[in-house]
Amino acid sequence: QVQLVESGGGVVQPGGSLRLSCAASGFTFNNYGMHWVRQAPGKGLEWVSFIRYDGSNKYYADSVKGRFTISGDNSKNTLYLQMNSLRPEDTAVYYCAKARGQLERRPFDYWGQGTLVTVSS
Amino acid sequence: QSALTQPASVSGSPGQSITISCTGTSSDVGGYNYVSWYQQNPGKAPKLMIYDVNNRPSGVSNRFSGSKSGNTASLTISGLQGEDEADYYCSSYTSSSTPNWVFGGGTKLTVL
Repeated sequence: QVQLVESGGGVVQPGGSLRLSCAASGFTFNNYGMHWVRQAPGKGLEWVSFIRYDGSNKYYADSVKGRFTISGDNSKNTLYLQMNSLRPEDTAVYYCAKARGQLERRPFDYWGQGTLVTVSS
Repeated sequence: QSALTQPASVSGSPGQSITISCTGTSSDVGGYNYVSWYQQNPGKAPKLMIYDVNNRPSGVSNRFSGSKSGNTASLTISGLQGEDEADYYCSSYTSSSTPNWVFGGGTKLTVL
């Protein structure tokens, strides 16, 4: 069965950096696109970033463009999100989600349990 | 402010049907048949309920159905059950600037 397990969250000061990981199993990792989606405490869902199955294209929400970088390691079946220049408004639970297909227009069919990122001094 | 507009709350009694609307623009909901719906229980990850406007993933009850007209998509839940009480989010693919996904603000479903 598909499993996605995020890690790497924690408390970081404004301006700091953090790298999130998402370990995937139960499917052929390099056959599917992958997303990051976040949810601020008590708020709704916000799409953050997407990487195509072959890493050829990466897309970002305007709110994180230039600060966050998505990547994948097919040898480790792991998705990453490098987050730099963090702001208090980046505080959220970050979910990785498998795309229902290879390309960016496919929805999120499996989600991890999420990892909490808190940006505070 | 979310890109897609959903009612904040809806309610219904067991056995009844309810519909949750999701209004966007011609750049997202109206422009693509890539609307999806997610159910989220407190403290849990979202779960895909409907994709590509009206398709159900394997394992999702046929009491859940989706539709779209113009810039508004809808999720209908028939034969309401207590276990349906949750938050529901719509989402749509958009390529108005760069390819990305937008969500609605979420609707809290209460089963009376």
